[in-house]
Amino acid sequence: DIQMTQSPSTLSASVGDRVTITCRASQTISTFLNWYQLKSGKAPKFLIYDTSTLPSGVPSRFSGSGSGTDFTLTITNLQPEDFATYYCQQSYHTPYTFGQGTKVEI
Amino acid sequence: EVQLVESGGDLVQPGGSLRLSCAASGFTFSSHWMHWVRQAPGKGLEWVSRMNGDGKRETYADSVRGRFTISRDNAKNKLYLQINSLRAEDTAVYYCVRDALVGRTAFDNWGQGTLVTVSS
Repeated sequence: DIQMTQSPSTLSASVGDRVTITCRASQTISTFLNWYQLKSGKAPKFLIYDTSTLPSGVPSRFSGSGSGTDFTLTITNLQPEDFATYYCQQSYHTPYTFGQGTKVEI
Repeated sequence: EVQLVESGGDLVQPGGSLRLSCAASGFTFSSHWMHWVRQAPGKGLEWVSRMNGDGKRETYADSVRGRFTISRDNAKNKLYLQINSLRAEDTAVYYCVRDALVGRTAFDNWGQGTLVTVSS
């Protein structure tokens, strides 16, 4: 199975900050990397697919980059609604695997 | 608007069985692969299973293969997960998830989840 490792596990930030979350795959996954946002009591939100493509409706302050084994999610001008837990997920091969999550807290 | 509504979660004894359901609306159900993803309390996300649009192809995580069975009824716009031989480690919120039509797998719409608790 492809192991996905995120860092950091927790990130403290303030409104207006720029934050970066890293996701590393245990083998190359080309650009088949997606990101999701989870908030307690809410359905997870689809943020980014294929490393850097934003689905319709996702604010442009979210961006993604990388290829191969190393990927990043960047949030610029952090907003109050962005405090949540973020997960990366590889879609290169089943079983589809997720990182362990990064909690962005105030 | 895409809607996915799970049901069927319950408190079950180890070794028991449950059938989870997901009612889909707002899109052409038969056009999409569908997945189940779970999250154990305090843990991360774990992909469980997937099924293609016509119901002829299915894939499972090693942790559930042989105990879980995914199925769908396209006439009713419903996805199911039959879970047997339940173990404590199956305790989790189970999400019904739609696969986006963007080439490679991506989970673009999620339900609110249904809680399965395995305990004696």
